[in-house]
Amino acid sequence: GENVEQHPSTLSVQEGDSAVIKCTYSDSASNYFPWYKQELGKGPQLIIDIRSNVGEKKDQRIAVTLNKTAKHFSLHITETQPEDSAVYFCAASKRNTGNQFYFGTGTSLTVIP
Amino acid sequence: GAVVSQHPSRVICKSGTSVKIECRSLDFQATTMFWYRQFPKQSLMLMATSNEGSKATYEQGVEKDKFLINHASLTLSTLTVTSAHPEDSSFYICSAQGPGLQYFGPGTRLTVT
Repeated sequence: GENVEQHPSTLSVQEGDSAVIKCTYSDSASNYFPWYKQELGKGPQLIIDIRSNVGEKKDQRIAVTLNKTAKHFSLHITETQPEDSAVYFCAASKRNTGNQFYFGTGTSLTVIP
Repeated sequence: GAVVSQHPSRVICKSGTSVKIECRSLDFQATTMFWYRQFPKQSLMLMATSNEGSKATYEQGVEKDKFLINHASLTLSTLTVTSAHPEDSSFYICSAQGPGLQYFGPGTRLTVT
């Protein structure tokens, strides 16, 4: 089955700095990679996703890059703000095959004002 | 965007009793719903995949007789924790396969005393 690893587990940055979270996956058949933000006591919220036919995707301060050959993908948050503080999860799945998600272990991001 | 609700958001029950958690897709039909369990500061672990009109598919190690899943309609799936014990205390999150994406509910905090 799929195995998704995520690093770092905790990350603290100064407000305005960038944050980078990295994930690796094991199943080369995975072709959909979403990123979720989870605030305390709430369900995960999709913030950005990328499909395997694309190498990079950007949405304002958030970007995701994918290296299919190396089987890793990364989340980049620029100009961080205190409200970006949350736990971030990456996931991998094979679309059109049940869409079962395999989640990374999560990164607790703290943005220091 | 697509909305998934869960009810209740929090529940406290006594050991030995059963508790039912509902997951509803509010503005789309979901033939597939997923149930996850999340312990504090840990990732989401898939418990089972629920398909409308058929039996749920449980992940290895998940007791199907303890965690009863019913997906009676295209907008509702229920998870019943039977004979709950303190070790069942956790955050239970459902997700529904919607138009192109998987949408997560806000979660249900179960505490078994």
